[in-house]
This record gives sequence, C-alpha cells and structure tokens, in this order.
Amino acid sequence: GNSVTQMEGPVTLSEEAFLTINCTYTATGYPSLFWYVQYPGEGLQLLLKATKADDKGSNKGFEATYRKETTSFHLEKGSVQVSDSAVYFCALSSRGGSARQLTFGSGTQLTVLP
Amino acid sequence: DTGVSQDPRHKITKRGQNVTFRCDPISEHNRLYWYRQTLGQGPEFLTYFQNEAQLEKSRLLSDRFSAERPKGSFSTLEIQRTEQGDSAMYLCASSSGTGGYYNEQFFGPGTRLTVL
Repeated sequence: GNSVTQMEGPVTLSEEAFLTINCTYTATGYPSLFWYVQYPGEGLQLLLKATKADDKGSNKGFEATYRKETTSFHLEKGSVQVSDSAVYFCALSSRGGSARQLTFGSGTQLTVLP
Repeated sequence: DTGVSQDPRHKITKRGQNVTFRCDPISEHNRLYWYRQTLGQGPEFLTYFQNEAQLEKSRLLSDRFSAERPKGSFSTLEIQRTEQGDSAMYLCASSSGTGGYYNEQFFGPGTRLTVL
C-alpha cells in the first residue's frame, strides 16, 4: 500500500535560516506528490505539488523536487520567516482508482523564532 | 467566504452517544472527502463521494460510521455509539473532478470530537 514517511519534528529555526524537511514515500505506480501546510487555527492548505518525476513544485519561496530514484520529495526554503511557523504535511495521491485519496505523512511542526 | 465549511467546530460527547457532523463543500465541487486526524498524525482517508454516490470507504470506517451526501451538495458524517478512540479531528475536503487527473482538494477547518 501507499505510505509517506516524514522527518520527525518539532523543528525550531531562527529567522532567515535554511529549511529542509525530508519526505520519502512508497507507492504503486507513479503518484503525484504534495506538501500541505496547516497554520495555527486554520485548515490544511496546498503549498505545492509535483505530478511527475523531476518536476519541481514551488510556492512562497518553498521548493520540492520529485525524485523517483530516491522516492523522495524534500521541502526546502532558503530563508524562513516567523510567518512560516506551521505544521507541514507531505502527501501523495496514486494515479490509479477514482478517489484520488491523499495519503499523508505524520507532519512536521516548524517554529521560526525572530 | 466560499471555502469548505464544517459544523460544529467542536463537539464534546459522552461515550455511547451518537454524533453527527456536517460539511458544506465549495459549491461547484462534485467530489467530497472525509478524513480523520488524530493528535500528532496526518489525516487518514475515511470515505469519498462523487456527487451523491459514495464510491470508496476506508477500512477505518467501521459499522458505527455512516456518511451521506443526499443531494450531491452538503455531506453528513454520523458516528453511533461513540468510543473514546473516536476522539479526533474530522476533516472534510472537496474538489472538482475532471477525468483521471488530480484536482486539488480544499480542506475545511475540521470538527474536533472529544469523547469522554
């Protein structure tokens, strides 16, 4: 079955530090990969996505590259801000089937200190 | 606000009671999903509707759980004879559905259930 393994948190960084959150996956076929973010008190929001190998998803300074050879989709940002403090979830969606249900990792809590 | 809404936001109940949650998706979305999220974990898929048809159910959805989407618009999730293990955040998401390609799922704020 499908699974997502995420770097355990919590992660605490100073403002302007470099961020990496590791994500690896197991899936049949060629899944689509996503990063979702959950800000305090808000619902999950799609941060970025990649639908095929070597695609790079990017948004709000965050980037992640779909690496089929290492089954990874690590999230990076060159300079984090206090406003990036949130929980980040890596997820995948298999191409087969009709539901396109998402399989999530366990989440990584990021706190950015001023 | 035209996002996904859920009601109630919080529910506290005693073990053995029945509870019902409501989800109103984005109006033009034909697909609706329910997920459950326990503390420190990512959301887990429960069930999925395309219009009014319930097309997939996870094995997590025991006989005590039932979901409906009678007119292809809002959906309800009912839990009968609640147990303490049902305590979780219940998330609803919706998406448009165009063929076999992924369409972004938009999530609601969730209903937090506490079973005493």
